[in-house]
Amino acid sequence: GQQLNQSPQSMFIQEGEDVSMNCTSSSIFNTWLWYKQDPGEGPVLLIALYKAGELTSNGRLTAQFGITRKDSFLNISASIPSDVGIYFCAGLNTGTASKLTFGTGTRLQVTL
Amino acid sequence: DGGITQSPKYLFRKEGQNVTLSCEQNLNHDAMYWYRQDPGQGLRLIYYSQIVNDFQKGDIAEGYSVSREKKESFPLTVTSAQKNPTAFYLCASSTPRRNTEAFFGQGTRLTVV
Repeated sequence: GQQLNQSPQSMFIQEGEDVSMNCTSSSIFNTWLWYKQDPGEGPVLLIALYKAGELTSNGRLTAQFGITRKDSFLNISASIPSDVGIYFCAGLNTGTASKLTFGTGTRLQVTL
Repeated sequence: DGGITQSPKYLFRKEGQNVTLSCEQNLNHDAMYWYRQDPGQGLRLIYYSQIVNDFQKGDIAEGYSVSREKKESFPLTVTSAQKNPTAFYLCASSTPRRNTEAFFGQGTRLTVV
């Protein structure tokens, strides 16, 4: 089945650094969602995007809905240790036959 | 508070036994999903349902079964036909409307002993 390509697969950064990750698809979506998962927990929704070109922020997180509707980007500014976890993107087409499709995940580790 | 609840959090099963994982939501969402996650891996879709009394196979449906008799509930049965059932199982729900969001439960960790 389809999985969205997410990159990088993992990253080690120092506290205070900015982080960028992206997600690409071979098909278009009309909704992009970004999640963070802590070990042993369910993913928690961070940001939802509904319009091509849309840029949305949630605290230190900023996400963008790509113009082509086939990609999305997530940036984390001034990372802190609690940003550690796995970040997933997900694409969804609302309406008929909606199926939530997930990216492969980006594992983020923050060092002091 | 509205949300999606999975139970139990941890489940142990003997080989050859069927086991049912519970997923309940009070968000009035039409669509519900079951995913399987193996250690260090992404989420793989098992089954999804867009409306009551209807569901579709996902990418890895073999050895699993579901029912959707009520809008709020989407239980997953892991049958003895599932060759490698030990995993972390996640349930999610969403709506087909515009500006939708999808939320997850806390997950159930199933271990075959």
